[in-house]
Amino acid sequence: EAQVTQNPRYLITVTGKKLTVTCSQNMNHEYMSWYRQDPGLGLRQIYYSMNVEVTDKGDVPEGYKVSRKEKRNFPLILESPSPNQTSLYFCASSLNGRAKNIQYFGAGTRLSVL
Amino acid sequence: GNSVTQMEGPVTLSEEAFLTINCTYTATGYPSLFWYVQYPGEGLQLLLKATKADDKGSNKGFEATYRKETTSFHLEKGSVQVSDSAVYFCALKSNDYKLSFGAGTTVTVRA
Repeated sequence: EAQVTQNPRYLITVTGKKLTVTCSQNMNHEYMSWYRQDPGLGLRQIYYSMNVEVTDKGDVPEGYKVSRKEKRNFPLILESPSPNQTSLYFCASSLNGRAKNIQYFGAGTRLSVL
Repeated sequence: GNSVTQMEGPVTLSEEAFLTINCTYTATGYPSLFWYVQYPGEGLQLLLKATKADDKGSNKGFEATYRKETTSFHLEKGSVQVSDSAVYFCALKSNDYKLSFGAGTTVTVRA
């Protein structure tokens, strides 16, 4: 089954404790992306990757890091989480970055930073 | 830059009512337009899309037409069901490889 898998689904942590949210897709997609969803703001893009070893900033990259060492994986790293990073996070992938290609989303990771 | 504006919710309807969610956009070039739906506790999934002017996307009884002259992509459904209760997002993607979302509209359909 074609899917985007995020882990964990729920995470509670404390300020400053490094964490990683994993994302994996099994569709051999080139393009992957991370979003955060906040009430009244919709989804905002954090980082995206056009292919292996190619990453770029989205609209809200501050406080986040990503890596793309393999095509299927695109982890999101919070080196020193802060309460303003409490949010619902989604990973997505698409065949490539072209405008017409749809994105497939993971089920989401709800993060609370205390 | 690109931006998407969609009508604020929440929207509450009775079953079999007509639903319209307005969406307008600002973009350079020739963007593709999408409606995504998020059911409670789930990720987003594509509802429909249109890739050029005057295209009509349709799925599950929902329709939206890409209107370049009014920069709009309004979502409509003629007769909603309780199972249509969800959050609906209008989105735009242009050649800068970034997907821009509206704020989302929460729709609740009562039996």
